[in-house]
Amino acid sequence: NAGVTQTPKFQVLKTGQSMTLQCAQDMNHEYMSWYRQDPGMGLRLIHYSVGAGITDQGEVPNGYNVSRSTTEDFPLRLLSAAPSQTSVYFCASSYTGTSIETQYFGPGTRLLVL
Amino acid sequence: KNQVEQSPQSLIILEGKNCTLQCNYTVSPFSNLRWYKQDTGRGPVSLTIMTFSENTKSNGRYTATLDADTKQSSLHITASQLSDSASYICVVIEGTYKYIFGTGTRLKVLA
Repeated sequence: NAGVTQTPKFQVLKTGQSMTLQCAQDMNHEYMSWYRQDPGMGLRLIHYSVGAGITDQGEVPNGYNVSRSTTEDFPLRLLSAAPSQTSVYFCASSYTGTSIETQYFGPGTRLLVL
Repeated sequence: KNQVEQSPQSLIILEGKNCTLQCNYTVSPFSNLRWYKQDTGRGPVSLTIMTFSENTKSNGRYTATLDADTKQSSLHITASQLSDSASYICVVIEGTYKYIFGTGTRLKVLA
């Protein structure tokens, strides 16, 4: 198994540009989520999904969109990038998202918005 | 507000020494508590998961303790190795899906 994969590893955007961060898992996990990690702060949940076709907002959803058309993929879209979205983004997955399961993280995407 | 606070922020120890990292939380309803290890430039990796009824959980040289009454947890690392250099993150799960992350303790192990 490849586990949780994320692309790209690094990205530089100009303010106002759009892009999609890709996340895929091959473990047949129903629960997938996106976090951002900023210096001096804990990881913060952006959006999550408990299964194909189902998504919900996390703690910091503004400026981000998600969709879940398949079990494997959970892309994160920035419609109009802002410097405040400069961060490291992590995708994570687990079987059902219930609280005692191990959560697996991807390697992260470093995003710089100029 | 539900919070997870970790101390110290950073720690430097010599290889072979033991160390203990602290985590205090004010999360309710509490579901379980986890410790993650995050190497520089990588995603977090789960070390331990403890439910309300568990007081201690070990994973090799890592031992986590939980006192649900005082809402405190600790992660003890025995006989540290250079590869233990990383950030250690305490995470408390509120309810079913809400993960609340601490800011982490950055550990540096010197030869």
